[in-house]
Amino acid sequence: EDKVVQSPLSLVVHEGDTVTLNCSYEVTNFRSLLWYKQEKKAPTFLFMLTSSGIEKKSGRLSSILDKKELFSILNITATQTGDSAIYLCAGHGSGNTGKLIFGQGTTLQVKP
Amino acid sequence: GAGVSQTPSNKVTEKGKYVELRCDPISGHTALYWYRQSLGQGPEFLIYFQGTGAADDSGLPNDRFFAVRPEGSVSTLKIQRTERGDSAVYLCASSSLGSTQYFGPGTRLTVL
Repeated sequence: EDKVVQSPLSLVVHEGDTVTLNCSYEVTNFRSLLWYKQEKKAPTFLFMLTSSGIEKKSGRLSSILDKKELFSILNITATQTGDSAIYLCAGHGSGNTGKLIFGQGTTLQVKP
Repeated sequence: GAGVSQTPSNKVTEKGKYVELRCDPISGHTALYWYRQSLGQGPEFLIYFQGTGAADDSGLPNDRFFAVRPEGSVSTLKIQRTERGDSAVYLCASSSLGSTQYFGPGTRLTVL
C-alpha cells in the first residue's frame, strides 16, 4: 500500500531559526514528490521534485529529493512568523490516475 | 487570476441529510480531484475526473458518496444519508493533464 510519512508532526521554533522537515515515501511507480503549505484550508503549492539530488529553491525555502533512500526534506532558513503553517508532503505515482498520496503534515509554529 | 473555487465554504447538516458540495476548477483544467481532510490528517484522495468521466473513484469510502462533472468543468460531490464521521474539510483541486494540482479553499462539512 502506498504511504507517505512526515516527521516531526509538530515543531515550535523562534524567528530566525532554520528548520528541516522530513518526508519518506513508498509510492508505486513513483513519478514526483510535492510539497504544499496549508495555512487555513487551501494547500498552496511549493515544490515538485522529480530528480534525485537536484535542489529546488524559492527564497528562504528549499527542497531536495533522494530517490534511492525514498526521502525528501524541506528546509526553511531565517524563519518568520508568517511561515507558521502545516507543511504537507505528497507522492505522485504514474498510471492514468493523478491522485496524490499525502502525509499527515508537519505543523510548524514560529514564535516572535 | 481566478483559482479553484468551492461552495459553500461551510456546511452544517443533520445526520441522515443529503448534501451537495460544488467545485469550480481553474478554466481550461481538464483534470479535477476531490480529497477529504480530517482534523490532524493530510488530505485523502476520493475521486479523479479527466474531462467528464471519473477516471479513478477508488477513494470514495462507500456508496453514499457520489460525484459528477457533466460538462467537464464544474463538479459536484454528493453525500447521501450523512453520518457524523463524514465531518471533514472537502478539498477540490484541478490541473492541466500531468501538471501540478492547485487546490481550492475547501468546504468544511459538519454533521450534527
